[in-house]
Amino acid sequence: QSVLTQPPSVSGALGQRVTISCTGSSSNIGAGFHVHWYQQLPGSAPQLLIYRDNERPSGVPDRFSGSRSGTSGSLAITGLQADDEASYYCQSYDRSLSFYVFGSGTKVTVL
Amino acid sequence: EVQMVQSGAEVKKPGESLTISCKGSGYNFNNYWIGWVRQMPGKGLEWMGIIYPGDSDTRYNPSFQGLQGLVTISADKSLGTAYLQWSSLKASDTATYYCARSDGDSSGYFLDYWGQGTLVTVSS
Repeated sequence: QSVLTQPPSVSGALGQRVTISCTGSSSNIGAGFHVHWYQQLPGSAPQLLIYRDNERPSGVPDRFSGSRSGTSGSLAITGLQADDEASYYCQSYDRSLSFYVFGSGTKVTVL
Repeated sequence: EVQMVQSGAEVKKPGESLTISCKGSGYNFNNYWIGWVRQMPGKGLEWMGIIYPGDSDTRYNPSFQGLQGLVTISADKSLGTAYLQWSSLKASDTATYYCARSDGDSSGYFLDYWGQGTLVTVSS
C-alpha cells in the first residue's frame, strides 16, 4: 500500500484536459514537502516531468502543470496528445518513514 | 550533458551474488546524491536507497524489510560510478533497477536524470 495514493487510471480524448491526484497525509505533502511528478512511457525509463510542485524541467511542454494544496498534489495535462499515453508517478518525502516515497502510479489512456 | 549509464541485463540463479553499476557524467559526481529505484514486472516505482558519493553517506528505505545486509549501495568517486550489490539473490529480486541523480533541498529531493535501467532476472 503506497503512502501516496493515485487513481489507477485516467482517460481523455485527444485535445482534452485530464488531472491526476496524489493524496498524501500530514506526514508527507501536508508537512510541507514538495511533490514531484515523473512520466514513464511504455518500455522506457521514468523521466522527471514536474519538480517542486509546479516547476518544469527544460524541454517539458507547458501543457503539463502541477500544483500542491493541503495534503495533496495534482498534475494537469492539457491538450492531450497520443504520445501522452504513459504511466505517471508522484513522489515526495515522508517524515514518519524518513525516506522518499512514490505514489502508486496512474496510467493515462488517450481515447 | 548529464548522463547516467547503467550496466547491462543480468540473468542469475538464486543464491548467486551480483553487482550492477551506474556511471554518471557531465556533472560533478561527488556533489549530488544518487538514488536506486526498483520496478518489479508490471508494478510501480520503489525508491530503495540513496548515496552521496562525496562522503559515501548512504540511506536505505525502511520499507524494504531487511534490505540492509541483503543489498548494498556504494560508490567509487574516482570512477564516477555507483553500485547496487546483492550477496544472495532471490527470485523476488527479479526487476528492473534504475539509478538516477538526485537534486533538491530540505523541502525534498527528486530524481532529475535517470539511467536506462538494468533488468535483473533471477531464476533457477
